[in-house]
Amino acid sequence: GAVVSQHPSWVICKSGTSVKIECRSLDFQATTMFWYRQFPKQSLMLMATSNEGSKATYEQGVEKDKFLINHASLTLSTLTVTSAHPEDSSFYICSARDFVRNQPQHFGDGTRLSIL
Amino acid sequence: GENVEQHPSTLSVQEGDSAVIKCTYSDSASNYFPWYKQELGKGPQLIIDIRSNVGEKKDQRIAVTLNKTAKHFSLHITETQPEDSAVYFCAASKNTGNQFYFGTGTSLTVIP
Repeated sequence: GAVVSQHPSWVICKSGTSVKIECRSLDFQATTMFWYRQFPKQSLMLMATSNEGSKATYEQGVEKDKFLINHASLTLSTLTVTSAHPEDSSFYICSARDFVRNQPQHFGDGTRLSIL
Repeated sequence: GENVEQHPSTLSVQEGDSAVIKCTYSDSASNYFPWYKQELGKGPQLIIDIRSNVGEKKDQRIAVTLNKTAKHFSLHITETQPEDSAVYFCAASKNTGNQFYFGTGTSLTVIP
């Protein structure tokens, strides 16, 4: 089945640091990937839709300059949290869909980001 | 936009009993309804899905029902086991590849 790999799974860094999170589709090509943020005991909140070869579409209230998304290939999308602050600490999850095989979205295992 | 509501927020059942989680949606154009299971510290895993042209779908101990007229769909887990304990999310979307609107989640605990 479709596998989505997310890396790193856990990162701790100092305030002001930029952090990059990778999302890879391992056995299929994903023209579209999604980035979500999840607070403890809450639902997934869509941050942006990442389209291969074009600019990401951000949801209302999500800062484009804060959360940089790059989808340079059909198997890789990256989310960079720039100048991270403690309020950016959260669980970030990506998902991708195999359009060729008409599969539903599959999620990565998430990245736990802690900003000190 | 779409609004998905999910109930209950927490559910405890004895091992072997059935568990039912219900969701409602607001946009009649939504036609794809997946259910995800999320274990602690992990990403959501698809467990079953249903499209609007079907009223019911079953996969072993898991079943999903859909009532398009009432705009609600439910997850049924029979013969629950401790390993079924997790947070379950319903979602709605227009087609499988489009944006998902998630419910608020149900924390299921199966008591041995």
